[in-house]
Amino acid sequence: KAGVTQTPRYLIKTRGQQVTLSCSPISGHRSVSWYQQTPGQGLQFLFEYFSETQRNKGNFPGRFSGRQFSNSRSEMNVSTLELGDSALYLCASSFEGAQTGELFFGEGSRLTVL
Amino acid sequence: LAKTTQPISMDSYEGQEVNITCSHNNIATNDYITWYQQFPSQGPRFIIQGYKTKVTNEVASLFIPADRKSSTLSLPRVSLSDTAVYYCLVDYTFFGGTYKYIFGTGTRLKVLA
Repeated sequence: KAGVTQTPRYLIKTRGQQVTLSCSPISGHRSVSWYQQTPGQGLQFLFEYFSETQRNKGNFPGRFSGRQFSNSRSEMNVSTLELGDSALYLCASSFEGAQTGELFFGEGSRLTVL
Repeated sequence: LAKTTQPISMDSYEGQEVNITCSHNNIATNDYITWYQQFPSQGPRFIIQGYKTKVTNEVASLFIPADRKSSTLSLPRVSLSDTAVYYCLVDYTFFGGTYKYIFGTGTRLKVLA
């Protein structure tokens, strides 16, 4: 069974640009959640999607957005990039969501903002 | 304010039992506590989950006292390959039924030969 796939694995952007990250969940999983990981702030929850609807949202500005498609694949977008957005962005999938089951994480997309 | 804290680091020797504690305030009755292990350049990997008393699986145990203000991950007989960062994750339920996933600060475990 294939795991969670995130693309791209590495990318470099400059301030003011926007970026789109993609996540393909494990087949049959309906929940996809996104996290930002930085040395200073640790792992922080961005948002969760379930059956194409945003179910929960963390405390991030509106520059961070996401969506989920009918096949459960998800994308997150960050607009007007800032230096502080440099981080590892992790996607996780689960059948129901973290509240009732384990999360399966991808290896992440490492974003560097110059 | 929901907050989840852990010790920054711990050292242990091979074959010893390791206990890592996570402190979590304002946790609701049915909020789950989950522990993950993370190696460098990899996403976190599930270890164990529970919401009360004690849960045990083939790799770890999770102890949650009655007041649920903390939880303890217990790793029996650690080996060098258990050197990693360990995170607790609490899904806090807020007023209105919304919930947010709050990760702990992470504990860097180093297992020595």
